[in-house]
Amino acid sequence: KQEVTQIPAALSVPEGENLVLNCSFTDSAIYNLQWFRQDPGKGLTSLLLIQSSQREQTSGRLNASLDKSSGRSTLYIAASQPGDSATYLCAPKDDQTGANNLFFGTGTRLTVIP
Amino acid sequence: NAGVTQTPKFRILKIGQSMTLQCTQDMNHNYMYWYRQDPGMGLKLIYYSVGAGITDKGEVPNGYNVSRSTTEDFPLRLELAAPSQTSVYFCASSSDQPQHFGDGTRLSIL
Repeated sequence: KQEVTQIPAALSVPEGENLVLNCSFTDSAIYNLQWFRQDPGKGLTSLLLIQSSQREQTSGRLNASLDKSSGRSTLYIAASQPGDSATYLCAPKDDQTGANNLFFGTGTRLTVIP
Repeated sequence: NAGVTQTPKFRILKIGQSMTLQCTQDMNHNYMYWYRQDPGMGLKLIYYSVGAGITDKGEVPNGYNVSRSTTEDFPLRLELAAPSQTSVYFCASSSDQPQHFGDGTRLSIL
């Protein structure tokens, strides 16, 4: 069974700082990996989806990397803003099931201080 | 732009009561999912559906039932509520990926 770990559990940074969130997973046989954002009291919003054949995916100030063989992904946020404050979750998709089932980490709670 | 709509947003139940959490999507997605999120934990899949009339168990299905009579609706039923079912429940839908999530139902069993 896939186990997903996210470090750190919480992170507080001043506005403008660049930061990296880490995700590790135990089963490297993944189809792809998604990064989500969750605001308090809200559902999840997909930020980036990176295929197992890709090494990086970028959207605006966000960059996700994937090292499938070592079971790691990182989410890089450039020039952080207070509006980036949220919980960030990574979720690999199992390569072995037919449906789009995801396994979620416990998340990193990010606070960007103005 | 309704997307995925979940009702109710909050509910308190007594032990042994039953209820149905409603989920509807207007994106014509084939796939629908129910997750639960406990404090400090990641989301865990309860049930999923790959199309109308087809459902299957996820990681934590015990104590729950689902049905999928239409593409749009995927209700989750708790038959005998237990304190261990206190959680936030999320419904999601997708055509492939990414999954689109509702805002959740916060359920407390007392």
